[in-house]
Amino acid sequence: DTEVTQTPKHLVMGMTNKKSLKCEQHMGHRAMYWYKQKAKKPPELMFVYSYEKLSINESVPSRFSPECPNSSLLNLHLHALQPEDSALYLCASSSALAGSAPETQYFGPGTRLLVL
Amino acid sequence: GENVEQHPSTLSVQEGDSAVIKCTYSDSASNYFPWYKQELGKRPQLIIDIRSNVGEKKDQRIAVTLNKTAKHFSLHITETQPEDSAVYFCAAVDGNQFYFGTGTSLTVIP
Repeated sequence: DTEVTQTPKHLVMGMTNKKSLKCEQHMGHRAMYWYKQKAKKPPELMFVYSYEKLSINESVPSRFSPECPNSSLLNLHLHALQPEDSALYLCASSSALAGSAPETQYFGPGTRLLVL
Repeated sequence: GENVEQHPSTLSVQEGDSAVIKCTYSDSASNYFPWYKQELGKRPQLIIDIRSNVGEKKDQRIAVTLNKTAKHFSLHITETQPEDSAVYFCAAVDGNQFYFGTGTSLTVIP
């Protein structure tokens, strides 16, 4: 099973709302990622978790808060977002870890977020 | 950090012709180079990859070449079909860090 799943598929929220995006993988991967992607642009890295610990945070605003409850799950908590945060949010996982040989990264289908 | 440049940004070809997309990278520590295809509204999907100890890899109509000395790698699609139309991203990878190119929007004209 080489699948990463994400929920919800679509999300519309106001600037005062709190919501969460969820990601799950059952491939035994120990690295999980959150990316933000605008139309026809490359994915922009937000967070990387290795062995359930945050290893990379690409200077993302605090209105985005990641959480890794266990090795299969990754959440992204959203609060007080801005309209410019509207984008496709992609989760990915990989068996590679820092310092090890790189491995393929598998993407989930994404959550399309619209902030009004 | 790594800087990946990708060209062209848009590419139109007639069905049956070949398409070539080129990427350059800056960090010699990068040692894995995947290519992703992303159709409209869908997730990026790996189509082919190459590691730094290999110069060329082929999978049916798709091939990738790597020149480590010059720090560039290319995607070659032969006998293009309309379903090849998508945005293609290259990436250079060091450990668990993926650095993506800016993308190429490929249109195959029937």
